[in-house]
Amino acid sequence: RKEVEQDPGPFNVPEGATVAFNCTYSNSASQSFFWYRQDCRKEPKLLMSVYSSGNEDGRFTAQLNRASQYISLLIRDSKLSDSATYLCVVNRRGQGGKLIFGQGTELSVKP
Amino acid sequence: DTAVSQTPKYLVTQMGNDKSIKCEQNLGHDTMYWYKQDSKKFLKIMFSYNNKELIINETVPNRFSPKSPDKAHLNLHINSLELGDSAVYFCASSRDSGETQYFGPGTRLLVL
Repeated sequence: RKEVEQDPGPFNVPEGATVAFNCTYSNSASQSFFWYRQDCRKEPKLLMSVYSSGNEDGRFTAQLNRASQYISLLIRDSKLSDSATYLCVVNRRGQGGKLIFGQGTELSVKP
Repeated sequence: DTAVSQTPKYLVTQMGNDKSIKCEQNLGHDTMYWYKQDSKKFLKIMFSYNNKELIINETVPNRFSPKSPDKAHLNLHINSLELGDSAVYFCASSRDSGETQYFGPGTRLLVL
């Protein structure tokens, strides 16, 4: 079993739709949580960190449930430019910055 | 004004060859990393250096040897390349270990 699991998709949605991605992690020592975005043939870029209280950045909302070891990302009012792969990432305590990546969820927003 | 740069961007080579990939960051960060992204798109850490010292060394064949001449550079040398080494290799850096990581554009390695 992978340490960070995501539904690979693809999620095909129309412009303006709301879409949610889920992620589970298996190691309860995980300390920090992130969503990265990776465009086709590009490098991953940090989209947002995920905090226990949940956090929002414009159209993007991230939630963390430590008890269930579950992370989510909600994208409202999808834009064509949101098409990318969304990577769920965790960082374990005392691991010197080692990021554990999920496989990624592919999103395609259509006109 | 590139923050994390890698050379070359593409590398096509024969099995058995030795090759190097270079990485440089101009962000003044102390920590640098090498990741491998395989054909199934999984990104996995290989090495991490903090101030030129090795701090993470995952289970990577010893054909792979990182070298950090200074804290702005982390190069990756690969000996006796194998077909399974074909992947995209990403360099990253962060201000310190545990801080936000910034990735380079990747080096696409194809071993024939």
